[in-house]
Amino acid sequence: DVKVTQSSRYLVKRTGEKVFLECVQDMDHENMFWYRQDPGLGLRLIYFSYDVKMKEKGDIPEGYSVSREKKERFSLILESASTNQTSMYLCASRRQGQDTQYFGPGTRLTVL
Amino acid sequence: AQRVTQPEKLLSVFKGAPVELKCNYSYSGSPELFWYVQYSRQRLQLLLRHISRESIKGFTADLNKGETSFHLKKPFAQEEDSAMYYCALSGLSGANNLFFGTGTRLTVIP
Repeated sequence: DVKVTQSSRYLVKRTGEKVFLECVQDMDHENMFWYRQDPGLGLRLIYFSYDVKMKEKGDIPEGYSVSREKKERFSLILESASTNQTSMYLCASRRQGQDTQYFGPGTRLTVL
Repeated sequence: AQRVTQPEKLLSVFKGAPVELKCNYSYSGSPELFWYVQYSRQRLQLLLRHISRESIKGFTADLNKGETSFHLKKPFAQEEDSAMYYCALSGLSGANNLFFGTGTRLTVIP
């Protein structure tokens, strides 16, 4: 059974803080993804990674960066958090060549 | 450019009534279409994919290339079907990433 875990379910940060969201998967999947989920906007892709140390911008990368130093871990970084980054953040992973993405439980980030 | 449209943000039906969640897409190539579902307090998960032509939990979805639609249907709604439903599209080339619609929240009234 695929397991994708995210470091926090809820996170409250202040404007200007550096924020790290961590995601770990245990199925040796090559591909990993970060989305944000907002009411009325659905899921929007922030960044994705094909494999270790590889990263590609998604649809809304501004204000975010990512790190993939190990295959199982994909980190989303907010260099200087802003209130418009208050959202639910979902991580997902997928085996290369397959179509199903497996999602983590999400991190609800509030930036005050 | 790829685009997925779910015209209904909210949909309420009575238990036992038929339900149809609409999804339209635009894509220049041959897409793969999916429905993902998120039940209350659970993670987002795949419900079904068009390529499998399967019925999951009584739901079916047929890809209509002429109308560029992939509507999700169930003949008799159950209370446990209440959830958020997302239609998603994946291209068959390139990055093969998923593009999601804005979602429809289905409420089945007992």
